[in-house]
Amino acid sequence: DTEVTQTPKHLVMGMTNKKSLKCEQHMGHRAMYWYKQKAKKPPELMFVYSYEKLSINESVPSRFSPECPNSSLLNLHLHALQPEDSALYLCASSRKLAGDSYEQYFGPGTRLTVT
Amino acid sequence: ILNVEQSPQSLHVQEGDSTNFTCSFPSSNFYALHWYRWETAKSPEALFVMTLNGDEKKKGRISATLNTKEGYSYLYIKGSQPEDSATYLCASPGDTGFQKLVFGTGTRLLVSP
Repeated sequence: DTEVTQTPKHLVMGMTNKKSLKCEQHMGHRAMYWYKQKAKKPPELMFVYSYEKLSINESVPSRFSPECPNSSLLNLHLHALQPEDSALYLCASSRKLAGDSYEQYFGPGTRLTVT
Repeated sequence: ILNVEQSPQSLHVQEGDSTNFTCSFPSSNFYALHWYRWETAKSPEALFVMTLNGDEKKKGRISATLNTKEGYSYLYIKGSQPEDSATYLCASPGDTGFQKLVFGTGTRLLVSP
């Protein structure tokens, strides 16, 4: 299984809603990532989990709350979002290559619209 | 702050044409250079991870070269096919660690039959 799966594919939520994005991989990777991608812009890193611990938080607002319940799952909890948070949210996992490089495998993303 | 740039922004070629595009990155503190292909509504797909100056990698009709001294990588597609239509992204690890990839804005390739 070389896939990273994400649910849901699409999500529309109001500014007062609470919702969660889910990501799953069964490749045995011990690092998982959340990226945000706005139209015509490159993906931007939000969070990195390494061995189920948060290792990088790119100064993301607290209305985004990541969670890594186990090595295969990554969640992103959303609360009180703003319309400008509408974007494609990509999950990735990675395996370490020889040396210090990592190869990242991406899911297809969740298209989030905040109304 | 790491700045990764790609050119051109978009490219439209005919089936059978060969094409290439460029990724530029700072040559100091280089760690690795990643190339991805991203088709609409699909997951970004890893093409190459390159680490050594002078590296050349090949996958079918797609190949890439790396020049870390001058800070650029070229991606070549030989005999483009409509299924090659996608956005091609390059990325390099940022200064906070090897796991943080900084992406270029991508080259959007359209191959017409």
